[in-house]
Amino acid sequence: DVQMTQSPSFVSASVGDRVTISCRASQGISTSLAWYQQKPGKAPKLVIYGASRLQRGVPSRFSGSGSGTDFTLTINSLQPEDFATYFCQQAISFPRTFGGGTTVEMK
Amino acid sequence: EVQLVESGGGLVKPGGSLRLSCAASGFTFSNAWMNWVRQAPGKGLEWVGRIKSKADGGTTDYAAPVKGRFTISRDDSKNTLYLQMNSLKIEDTAVYYCTTDSPVSTFDSWGQGTLVTVSS
Repeated sequence: DVQMTQSPSFVSASVGDRVTISCRASQGISTSLAWYQQKPGKAPKLVIYGASRLQRGVPSRFSGSGSGTDFTLTINSLQPEDFATYFCQQAISFPRTFGGGTTVEMK
Repeated sequence: EVQLVESGGGLVKPGGSLRLSCAASGFTFSNAWMNWVRQAPGKGLEWVGRIKSKADGGTTDYAAPVKGRFTISRDDSKNTLYLQMNSLKIEDTAVYYCTTDSPVSTFDSWGQGTLVTVSS
């Protein structure tokens, strides 16, 4: 199985900050990576797919980069609605696997 | 607008069975590949399994922890996805989400989830 490791587990940030979250795959996955946002009590929502492609309707302050084993989700100018938990997911092989999550909390 | 509505969750004893349903609307369900993803309380996301469209063979794939105990099926005439769960274990306790499967194997749309609690 492809193991996905996210870091950090928690990020304390303020509105307007730039936030960067990392995700590492245990083996190369090309650009077959997605990022999801989840708010408490809600279902996850797809934010980025193909490592860097913004899902329709997602604000342009979100961006993704990386290929192979190392990936990054960046949120520029953090907004109040961005405080949430973010998960990465590899989409190249079965079983589909997720990172452990990164919670972006208010400083 | 894509809508997915899960139902059928509840409290069940270890060793018991439960069938979850996911009613789909807003897209051509018969053409869609569908997944179940679960999330234990306070934990991360875990993929459970996937079913292809009948046109693509209707085959299923499962995660190792549920293989042989869970079965995913679909009724395209009712636009409904199912998850039959047998021999339930305490560790199957989770919110179960149905999701669409995109052409790049990501989970595009999600239902609101249904909670399954396995406890004696």
